[in-house]
Parts: sequence; structure tokens; C-alpha cells
Amino acid sequence: AQKITQTQPGMFVQEKEAVTLDCTYDTSDPSYGLFWYKQPSSGEMIFLIYQGSYDQQNATEGRYSLNFQKARKSANLVISASQLGDSAMYFCAMREANFGNEKLTFGTGTRLTIIP
Amino acid sequence: DVKVTQSSRYLVKRTGEKVFLECVQDMDHENMFWYRQDPGLGLRLIYFSYDVKMKEKGDIPEGYSVSREKKERFSLILESASTNQTSMYLCASSIPVGAGNKRGYTDTQYFGPGTRLTVL
Repeated sequence: AQKITQTQPGMFVQEKEAVTLDCTYDTSDPSYGLFWYKQPSSGEMIFLIYQGSYDQQNATEGRYSLNFQKARKSANLVISASQLGDSAMYFCAMREANFGNEKLTFGTGTRLTIIP
Repeated sequence: DVKVTQSSRYLVKRTGEKVFLECVQDMDHENMFWYRQDPGLGLRLIYFSYDVKMKEKGDIPEGYSVSREKKERFSLILESASTNQTSMYLCASSIPVGAGNKRGYTDTQYFGPGTRLTVL
């Protein structure tokens, strides 16, 4: 079974609208971390936001927020007031166990295109 | 700012050649990683290293080897390049999990700009 599933290969969104990128995960480990990365056409992966499995609050970083629904095993990224510069590939990733495991498992990504 | 650099942005090699991809980080990170990225498959881990001279196989190590002689440098080696190794290669580094709070920042992985390798 896929550990990280991103079901939206591509999305087109009007500028200034909010965007939700879906991510579901599968783990039996009670301790894990979830990450979102952005990859512009230049190729570099840019860290956006992190959510720990024990965090009580949903993570937020500027226009980015993570809608963490633990029981449903989903960690959707929400981008408020989208901008043209948000056009990129977005990857969800999971690290199982907070300590001792350094590896990330990535989803297949969602290509977001913002339309002017 | 964390900086991870990779020796080439684009590389073209012939089948059977030995290929070296170099990665350098300037933040004294213990961990370093090599991924390959292919359309529809996301990023897949090839090898990683916890420390100098330490290496661990990732999910797809076949056809690759690595070298970490210095803390800041992690090399990926294709002993005999094949066409199915045409891909985007991404290097990353990080501090140990859980050390982020002590060092004042998130223990996420920081990525280099990538090397697009074509094997003809």
C-alpha cells in the first residue's frame, strides 16, 4: 500500500482563490511527522510546513496551513489567496517515528497552476 | 541560510560511463541523502548517510554507490551508467531528528537544486 497518496496529479486555480492540495497517509506508527514541499520549475525542493502527529494545533506558516485530520489520516495543504508564484509541483512527505528514523517517504506530487 | 549545492545542473553521459554526482552542504548537517525523481513516481531514496563514512541503502540502491569522506560532501556514483538511470537527482541534508529544537530550526531536509542526468 502507498504510504503517501496524492490523488490530484494536476490542478488549475484562479489567482487569489484558496487552494487545497490533498494528501492521505498510511502508517501504524503512533509517532510521525508530515511535511509539504514546493518544487518550482527551477527544480529545487522548498520546505513549506511541518506537522507532528502529536501536535495539538494545525500548523500554519504565512499563507500556508496544514489541515491535519488524524483519524482520517489526511494532511491537506491549504494555500490562501493564491498567487502566480504558487504555480509549482507540491509534494507531501512523511517521516515515521520522530526519533531515530531520518527517512522521508514522498507522494507522487500535485502540479498546481495558478491562472491570472 | 542552509545551502546545498550540486556539482552540475545538467549532465549528459554515455552508456557504460562512470558518473560522479557531487553534493556539498555548508550547515554542518550530519545527515545527507540522494534521491531520484521521475514523473509520476515522486522522489525515491537511493542512499543516505548519518555520518562520515556511514551509508545506508534506501529504496532503490541497485546500480548506485555512494561515498562520504567528509561531513560536508556526499557523492553518488553510477559505476556503469545505463539509459534507465536518466533522471533528476536531488541531494538533501538535515540535522538528526529531534535536534531541531536545540539548534533553533526545524529538522526538515534541505535540498539542492538537482542534477538532470541524461544517459545516451
